[in-house]
Amino acid sequence: DVKVTQSSRYLVKRTGEKVFLECVQDMDHENMFWYRQDPGLGLRLIYFSYDVKMKEKGDIPEGYSVSREKKERFSLILESASTNQTSMYLCATTPYTGPNQPQHFGDGTRLSIL
Amino acid sequence: GQQVMQIPQYQHVQEGEDFTTYCNSSTTLSNIQWYKQRPGGHPVFLIQLVKSGEVKKQKRLTFQFGEAKKNSSLHITATQTTDVGTYFCAGISVGRRALTFGSGTRLQVQP
Repeated sequence: DVKVTQSSRYLVKRTGEKVFLECVQDMDHENMFWYRQDPGLGLRLIYFSYDVKMKEKGDIPEGYSVSREKKERFSLILESASTNQTSMYLCATTPYTGPNQPQHFGDGTRLSIL
Repeated sequence: GQQVMQIPQYQHVQEGEDFTTYCNSSTTLSNIQWYKQRPGGHPVFLIQLVKSGEVKKQKRLTFQFGEAKKNSSLHITATQTTDVGTYFCAGISVGRRALTFGSGTRLQVQP
């Protein structure tokens, strides 16, 4: 069974801080994704990566960056956190490149920016 | 950009009643996926539809992909309290590399 682990379940940070959210998968999946989930808006794609050191912008990349130095780890970085980045952040993976694959999600990180 | 709208946003039913959620895309989709998220949990993949007009069933759940591949529906027959959660559709437009999720329908089932 695929295991996608997000480093924190809950996180509280202050405005202006640099925030790192980590995601690790144990199934050698090629693709990794970062979403944020807000009530009434569903899941919105921030960034995704289809290979080590490769990244591609999603629909709402502003204010975020990502890093994928190893295949199993995908980090989301908030360079200077703002209150409008308070949200639930979900990491997901798929085994290989191609449209017809289910996404495997982590448990999410609920991030509050004060 | 691609938009995927989902209605209703919320539905409250009595146990035993039927439930349907609808998904509409602004662009033609190469596939449509459905996910269920239980309260406090993460989205879990239910099913994928690829062909125009495709219908698939999973016990009391029926999934349909429209002929034009721009809309989809999920119908639950005789809801149970275990059906509680938020149901998301997600699709990929032709030429895109990633899914776009709908806004979700939250289902509440009264015992």
